[in-house]
Amino acid sequence: DGGITQSPKYLFRKEGQNVTLSCEQNLNHDAMYWYRQDPGQGLRLIYYSQIVNDFQKGDIAEGYSVSREKKESFPLTVTSAQKNPTAFYLCASSDYLNQPQHFGDGTRLSIL
Amino acid sequence: QKEVEQDPGPLSVPEGAIVSLNCTYSNSAFQYFMWYRQYSRKGPELLMYTYSSGNKEDGRFTAQVDKSSKYISLFIRDSQPSDSATYLCAMSEVVAGTYKYIFGTGTRLKVLA
Repeated sequence: DGGITQSPKYLFRKEGQNVTLSCEQNLNHDAMYWYRQDPGQGLRLIYYSQIVNDFQKGDIAEGYSVSREKKESFPLTVTSAQKNPTAFYLCASSDYLNQPQHFGDGTRLSIL
Repeated sequence: QKEVEQDPGPLSVPEGAIVSLNCTYSNSAFQYFMWYRQYSRKGPELLMYTYSSGNKEDGRFTAQVDKSSKYISLFIRDSQPSDSATYLCAMSEVVAGTYKYIFGTGTRLKVLA
């Protein structure tokens, strides 16, 4: 079955530590996205990538970094500079930019 | 004013009722209009999408877009307890190289058996 796989499902970060969230898709989509979801707020865009080796900052990119070395993979690193990292992180993909997006089942990140 | 407004609910209805979920928006440049269903601790699932204006039907679901009023709706007929979830609207545009994909905050729906 085609889809988007996010791992791990739950992740805990210690103070001062960087952590990386994985996102893999087998839908052959060009565009991929990372969102953060907090209770009572809509999804907020962190980074997006139209194509391999290219990515753009979204609305809340500070404290995060990404890479897009392969079409099917778009990992997100939450750095120690992100002071409030506790959230539900969602990865999405679409055929190309502006097309409807399909989502993975998320990674819940908490601070120890 | 937010670009997309959505009533957070919760909206409680009896099984079998017709449900109407709505979003208003302020940006007339939006091109795609989406509805997602999100169960607790899961990612949003794309239910339906419409390009530009008009209606679209898929089984028990109907999506409507009224661009003149900047208003979109999702209707669920013969609602089931399994429809209980949070429903998110979303809208997107690409104008002069600038990309936007905006979500509403979601409406919680409870369908009572």
